[in-house]
Amino acid sequence: QKEVEQNSGPLSVPEGAIASLNCTYSDRVSQSFFWYRQYSGKSPELIMSIYSNGDKEDGRFTAQLNKASQYVSLLIRDSQPSDSATYLCAVNLYNNAGNMLTFGGGTRLMVKP
Amino acid sequence: DTEVTQTPKHLVMGMTNKKSLKCEQHMGHRAMYWYKQKAKKPPELMFVYSYEKLSINESVPSRFSPECPNSSLLNLHLHALQPEDSALYLCASSQDGGTGGTNEKLFFGSGTQLSVL
Repeated sequence: QKEVEQNSGPLSVPEGAIASLNCTYSDRVSQSFFWYRQYSGKSPELIMSIYSNGDKEDGRFTAQLNKASQYVSLLIRDSQPSDSATYLCAVNLYNNAGNMLTFGGGTRLMVKP
Repeated sequence: DTEVTQTPKHLVMGMTNKKSLKCEQHMGHRAMYWYKQKAKKPPELMFVYSYEKLSINESVPSRFSPECPNSSLLNLHLHALQPEDSALYLCASSQDGGTGGTNEKLFFGSGTQLSVL
């Protein structure tokens, strides 16, 4: 059973639409949640972090966290072709090694002009 | 300075070669990481150094040997690699390692694209 799960996509949305990316995780005690954007051939870039239930907005990005249901989502408003990338959900999970950040498989987003 | 610098950006090596990947950060972060990423897969954790001590080794083969000379530098020594080791190798740093809260914000370098022939 994967610990952090994402739909691999691709998720295709038209320019200007809202893109909704979802992530579920297995560890009920997780406290820290992150969204990274990764362009093809580039390294991951942190775009959002969220630690408490509810919504957190930053420009066109909104992260949503529901700890009871163990999911975190990322909304991208007014999607632009430049938003086309793979979005990685990352959650801190507790295992034998301690508290470590674990990545989901990523969702590929395609924004069509 | 919010950068993690990795060198080289690209590396091609034979299976008998010895090479090293280098990583440097000047953000005062005390945790540094090596990740391996294959195409269309998420980053996989290899090693974690916390306060210059190896804290996590995710069962990585001994042909990969990490080294942390000081709090700003992290090396990955490569020897007798296999073609399946070809991947993007990412260095990352965070303010602290494994303590919860905001400390897991990872800052990644641009990576080294490694090809093993």
